[in-house]
Amino acid sequence: QVQLQESGPGLVKPSQTLSLTCTVSGGSISSRNYYWSWIRQPAGKGLEWIGRFYTSGSTNYNPSLKSRVTISMDTSKNQFSLKVTSVIAADTAVYYCARGTPMGARYYFDYWGQGTLVTVSS
Amino acid sequence: EIMLTQSPATLSLSPGERATLSCRASQSISVHLAWYQQKPGQAPRLLIYDASNRATGIPARFSGSGSGTDFTLTISSLEPEDFAVYHCQQHSDWLTFGGGTKVEIK
Repeated sequence: QVQLQESGPGLVKPSQTLSLTCTVSGGSISSRNYYWSWIRQPAGKGLEWIGRFYTSGSTNYNPSLKSRVTISMDTSKNQFSLKVTSVIAADTAVYYCARGTPMGARYYFDYWGQGTLVTVSS
Repeated sequence: EIMLTQSPATLSLSPGERATLSCRASQSISVHLAWYQQKPGQAPRLLIYDASNRATGIPARFSGSGSGTDFTLTISSLEPEDFAVYHCQQHSDWLTFGGGTKVEIK
């Protein structure tokens, strides 16, 4: 059974960098069939896709966040990470990591972490 | 960016009733739509992919339909564990989610 677990600071000051790690167990992050994503959810609001990392090394980011976001992988630790620079209050959200799996014609998210709350505040 | 509009925002029903949730896309997305269920304090769970295919382990009372811009998630007879928030997500052009529909107990 694949499991994902987010970790990182729960409080980040404005203008600083938010850094989160997702540790994957029960499966290899290097498996070619999948991609690995970050998704966030502000309190009481809908989900927002942040970006994804393919095991081939390519990445895609939400155009609205692209200038501030980096997703990377550490295959030796079976982890992938998220960095968001120059954070503001609007970046306060529960952050989820998730696995994208090919189903039918597209990829969909079949495994998710439990989520971690990150608050941006001085 | 393709926008997804879910309606209604809240649906108040009793156990055993039928729930019909709508998701409308701002432009055609073929069948590239998924539905997720989210309970308080939990991560979303995939229910339906490619508009009408149930994910592994999802009960038959959940069904999805639609193509192009209009999609529907139907829960044929609500069980107590079905009261939750439901999100639609498109994967036709980049990736976006709808605002969610909360199914609450009447």
